[in-house]
Amino acid sequence: EVQLVESGGGLVQPGGSLRLSCEASGFTFSSYWMHWVRQAPGKGLVWVSRINGDGSSALYGDSMKGRITTSRDNAKNRLYLQMSSLRVEDTALYYCVRGDRFDFWGQGTLVSVSS
Amino acid sequence: DIQMTQSPSSLSASVGDRLTITCRASQDIRNDLGWYQQKPGKAPKRLIYAAFSLQSGVPSRFSGSGSGTEFTLTISSLQPEDFATYYCLQHNGDPPTFGQGTKLEI
Repeated sequence: EVQLVESGGGLVQPGGSLRLSCEASGFTFSSYWMHWVRQAPGKGLVWVSRINGDGSSALYGDSMKGRITTSRDNAKNRLYLQMSSLRVEDTALYYCVRGDRFDFWGQGTLVSVSS
Repeated sequence: DIQMTQSPSSLSASVGDRLTITCRASQDIRNDLGWYQQKPGKAPKRLIYAAFSLQSGVPSRFSGSGSGTEFTLTISSLQPEDFATYYCLQHNGDPPTFGQGTKLEI
């Protein structure tokens, strides 16, 4: 059974940093691109970043470009999102998503940016 | 960026109704489009991939059609569990982009 379990969210002050993690199981993790997608409270879905299977290439959306780094550890079946210089508007539920066709989603981890 | 214009943004319907949601892409995306259902407090769930292929386990009352720039999601006979928010997603061009969502209400 495919499982994606995000963790690392929490309350952080504006300007702070946070590292999200997504633990994958039930499939060959290294064979899949992986994405981060976020959803602000009551709002729609916004793509954040993508990383290829071996971790050699990542792409970032404009919403957080320059403030985030996506990486992965295929030996540990984990995807990461390092976020810095966080803003109030970064408050959202962050999902990790499998594959180039976005076929399977984790349950998300909530990031709240507030003073 | 490819813009995905989804309509309507909200829709009131009744059990048994047939309804259609539309997504228009700002440029040709071939059939690189998926449809997702999201219920409150839950992660999105893929219903349709490659514009018209039904995800395994999804009821056959859901169907997708279209190619190029215009796509539709049809629910043939609404069931109580179908009341949710629906999104389209294009993954043909970078960055991937979502439609604004359609909230389906009773």
